[in-house]
Amino acid sequence: DSGVTQTPKHLITATGQRVTLRCSPRSGDLSVYWYQQSLDQGLQFLIQYYNGEERAKGNILERFSAQQFPDLHSELNLSSLELGDSALYFCASSVGSKYNEQFFGPGTRLTVL
Amino acid sequence: DQQVKQNSPSLSVQEGRISILNCDYTNSMFDYFLWYKKYPAEGPTFLISISSIKDKNEDGRFTVFLNKSAKHLSLHIVPSQPGDSAVYFCAAVFGNEKLTFGTGTRLTIIP
Repeated sequence: DSGVTQTPKHLITATGQRVTLRCSPRSGDLSVYWYQQSLDQGLQFLIQYYNGEERAKGNILERFSAQQFPDLHSELNLSSLELGDSALYFCASSVGSKYNEQFFGPGTRLTVL
Repeated sequence: DQQVKQNSPSLSVQEGRISILNCDYTNSMFDYFLWYKKYPAEGPTFLISISSIKDKNEDGRFTVFLNKSAKHLSLHIVPSQPGDSAVYFCAAVFGNEKLTFGTGTRLTIIP
């Protein structure tokens, strides 16, 4: 158990809909990272927040947005969903903002029908 | 543009033998490399890492080798155990930039 929690575990929705994925970092961690893993793909970095502020952006679509709240949990919002958005979405956290010290949550599997 | 490549999607190894997982990269600016292990229904777990100033790092049964001139790294697991069956991802980072992951290799240890 990494100490990072993600809800829900599974999510099935339809095209055009909007969903919110939630992540609670390890106690004491200030950074939260979001990754997308599509079928047979590596993890693609989406976005990083550090202590409530956006720190870095990766390959995140404009239809996707995220935020980190004062209690440090984070939400990833996916809107106007398309079939291709079906993937595993991982959240990771770290104490500081160094990319090489991350602990990953179990992921949320999103299926868009 | 796949900057980190794991060309073998799967690998099967007999229990007790050595498992060798390979990873190639294209960006010569990468200065830190990591291996993650992932079981089904779990997130990736950090396994071992190596700085670009080293060519080898060992941790118990796990050893990572880095060949900078070939832009190649490998993870050796010896002896392989059934619990090592998992998907292994290599990842690379430059400075404080984002982690760039490979596509993973599924390792199956045959009892």
